Amino acid sequence: SQTIHQWPATLVQPVGSPLSLECTVEGTSNPNLYWYRQAAGRGLQLLFYSVGIGQISSEVPQNLSASRPQDRQFILSSKKLLLSDSGFYLCAWRKGGAFFGQGTRLTVV
Amino acid sequence: QKEVEQNSGPLSVPEGAIASLNCTYSDRVSQSFFWYRQYSGKSPELIMSIYSNGDKEDGRFTAQLNKASQYVSLLIRDSQPSDSATYLCAVIDNYGQNFVFGPGTRLSVLP
Repeated sequence: SQTIHQWPATLVQPVGSPLSLECTVEGTSNPNLYWYRQAAGRGLQLLFYSVGIGQISSEVPQNLSASRPQDRQFILSSKKLLLSDSGFYLCAWRKGGAFFGQGTRLTVV
Repeated sequence: QKEVEQNSGPLSVPEGAIASLNCTYSDRVSQSFFWYRQYSGKSPELIMSIYSNGDKEDGRFTAQLNKASQYVSLLIRDSQPSDSATYLCAVIDNYGQNFVFGPGTRLSVLP
């Protein structure tokens, strides 16, 4: 069966610090992968999606970037975090519907 | 710009009643529709998918799709307090790779 792992679960980072969130999928090959962000009390905002290694599409201009160095690995990064980057970050893969990891709650202070 | 709209709620129903959640979408070419349940502080969980007009039933859940009206709904029969959560509607179309989510409806089932 397929599983998706996302870590860390919680992160507190100072403004201006870098960020790296990692997501891996097991039990499937060449999945479509997604990064979403959910601000408190808000809906899901698509940040990036990838259909294959090295293929990244950005939906929202911001100070975040994504990379897909391996087939089942998707990384979300930032060089300098802003207060507005706080939120619940979710990685997902697609099989019919989207299936989500546990999420990372990021607080930028 | 694809849009998915839902009433934010909260929608309150007594235990044992039918909860009705509604969703409208703007992209006429949308072909696939999904309902997710999200408990507070947790990630969304897929509970129903529907691809053709009509009803689809799975246990206490029924999804209804009307493409002509661009409307999809979720009915929860015999609502339980454990059904209290935010329900997200999502669509994906055959022209893209992406899911577009609505803002969610918060459901509260009162014991």
